[in-house]
Amino acid sequence: GAVVSQHPSRVICKSGTSVKIECRSLDFQATTMFWYRQFPKQSLMLMATSNEGSKATYEQGVEKDKFLINHASLTLSTLTVTSAHPEDSSFYICSAAPGLAGARPYEQYFGPGTRLTVT
Amino acid sequence: GQNIDQPTEMTATEGAIVQINCTYQTSGFNGLFWYQQHAGEAPTFLSYNVLDGLEEKGRFSSFLSRSKGYSYLLLKELQMKDSASYLCAVRETRRGDYKLSFGAGTTVTVRA
Repeated sequence: GAVVSQHPSRVICKSGTSVKIECRSLDFQATTMFWYRQFPKQSLMLMATSNEGSKATYEQGVEKDKFLINHASLTLSTLTVTSAHPEDSSFYICSAAPGLAGARPYEQYFGPGTRLTVT
Repeated sequence: GQNIDQPTEMTATEGAIVQINCTYQTSGFNGLFWYQQHAGEAPTFLSYNVLDGLEEKGRFSSFLSRSKGYSYLLLKELQMKDSASYLCAVRETRRGDYKLSFGAGTTVTVRA
């Protein structure tokens, strides 16, 4: 149980285009989803927290107009990188939290990640 | 805010034991997680501590001292497949979001 999928797993796009990444909880409902970014040999940096049906909360320094997050249902959140630039190339990982219904309160289950390369 | 510190790299031989330390400073502490991450993959859950003491799960054990802001992950009987990055993550109650803050990770290399 507690499987989270991400699509696509890898994407290459040209500078200036937009890319959408999907995060799905397959066998549970996620009240909260988190989006992280990880640069090579660095740790996960939280970008934003997404709650179903409400606006995402962005961490300091993360541009909300550039990284659009939509949490349309209890099983799906999307991250759209708008007007991507080479410096946006990174490993993007989502996690989903079942909230109090989880085995451990608010434990996060991670997706497999999306490798974005902007050329 | 929080500062989470762990060593950058550790090397050990197959069959040995390695201890990865993690120190943290945070307000509203609400649990500490250890994750394993292989290169290019997402983190996988290893352990969770919210009370002081040792949690043992097979070859992996995790210890927490809240008063010292200190945890360690103990890996016993090391196997080659244990070569990975180990992330210490602290959960804090802030605005009810239960966010996780991650350390930079410790890369463990297991040698034959």
